[in-house]
Amino acid sequence: QQPVQSPQAVILREGEDAVINCSSSKALYSVHWYRQKHGEAPVFLMILLKGGEQKGHEKISASFNEKKQQSSLYLTASQLSYSGTYFCGSPAGNMLTFGGGTRLMVKP
Amino acid sequence: DTAVSQTPKYLVTQMGNDKSIKCEQNLGHDTMYWYKQDSKKFLKIMFSYNNKELIINETVPNRFSPKSPDKAHLNLHINSLELGDSAVYFCASSHKGQVAEAFFGQGTRLTVV
Repeated sequence: QQPVQSPQAVILREGEDAVINCSSSKALYSVHWYRQKHGEAPVFLMILLKGGEQKGHEKISASFNEKKQQSSLYLTASQLSYSGTYFCGSPAGNMLTFGGGTRLMVKP
Repeated sequence: DTAVSQTPKYLVTQMGNDKSIKCEQNLGHDTMYWYKQDSKKFLKIMFSYNNKELIINETVPNRFSPKSPDKAHLNLHINSLELGDSAVYFCASSHKGQVAEAFFGQGTRLTVV
């Protein structure tokens, strides 16, 4: 079963912050985050392996609450280049299943 | 030097035809995947293939079949194409395990007319 992401879409002005949430009804042992720009392939951002782990990539960071089976992606002081669709992924065995995606648009 | 490459990039074909999409990775990964991305951007896992172990998403019609001639290749064969098969298909690869990031090919846009 795929993870559930919210919100489905976000529109920001440059410099604003956003949070994207990812939750699962099944146990989450790790969470992947990817970004896909329009017309391109998804690109890896980060993996969180442990409950409570937080990571950062540029001004994008994420947290993982293993007990709540949730992860959140934080985009701080958003830039135009952050526009795209963000996916969280939940690996199980050899299958990496993605959530429905969150479309982020950053406007000048 | 492209890490994961797919061919063709675009494929337009008629209903009922059989077609193949090729995928090759030069990263030395042991696991390869096929994903289907529909017009709503939903990325659906279709297959995972690792060391001759094939895992199939049960929702994928059996008209779709992956074929791996060797560890670096995972081709996708589609028989009796239908209009609903129109989508972008992505190949990806990774090392086995939950800690491994996946690298995606550039995608193949399939249009069935």
